[in-house]
Amino acid sequence: AQKVTQAQTEISVVEKEDVTLDCVYETRDTTYYLFWYKQPPSGELVFLIRRNSFDEQNEISGRYSWNFQKSTSSFNFTITASQVVDSAVYFCALSGQLTGNQFYFGTGTSLTVIP
Amino acid sequence: EAQVTQNPRYLITVTGKKLTVTCSQNMNHEYMSWYRQDPGLGLRQIYYSMNVEVTDKGDVPEGYKVSRKEKRNFPLILESPSPNQTSLYFCASSELALSYNEQFFGPGTRLTVL
Repeated sequence: AQKVTQAQTEISVVEKEDVTLDCVYETRDTTYYLFWYKQPPSGELVFLIRRNSFDEQNEISGRYSWNFQKSTSSFNFTITASQVVDSAVYFCALSGQLTGNQFYFGTGTSLTVIP
Repeated sequence: EAQVTQNPRYLITVTGKKLTVTCSQNMNHEYMSWYRQDPGLGLRQIYYSMNVEVTDKGDVPEGYKVSRKEKRNFPLILESPSPNQTSLYFCASSELALSYNEQFFGPGTRLTVL
């Protein structure tokens, strides 16, 4: 079965702190794709990153970084020096070749950055 | 401007009264999908379409219908809405019907069924 678990329901940090959002996935696929989306208070969903299962290189984009570890089935997201604008709900998602074009989202982590 | 549009954005209706939520994209995308977002449950896929006249069930299709007669449109139909369908609905599209494609989401439709 395909499943994404985001165990952290809510996180609060003080501005400039670093924060890591956890994502653990389950899949029978050997080829699969992981995504992160951001949902700010305005409600829209914004794509952040995609990672495929055969590319375990970590990625950094400005203050954002992602750590993909197949050995632990995790795809964690770190925000360095958090800012108030980072306050949002963050979703991790999974898709795979076996399940065709179905997407599985986690339950989301609500991040609040306190000024 | 490239976008996914949904209408209406807000809707309050009563049990059993058929309704349609429209979704349209102007990016010539092959893939379109509907999700519902509920507190504590995240986003769950209702239906998706890989191209015109091709639709498939997602995780929670019960009580919903869709059609894809044109590439740009993917309406969500609730034939007989019930209160448990009160939710925030998102339409999404992606360029190709491939599982690695990022999705572009519409602004959401907040539906309340009394």
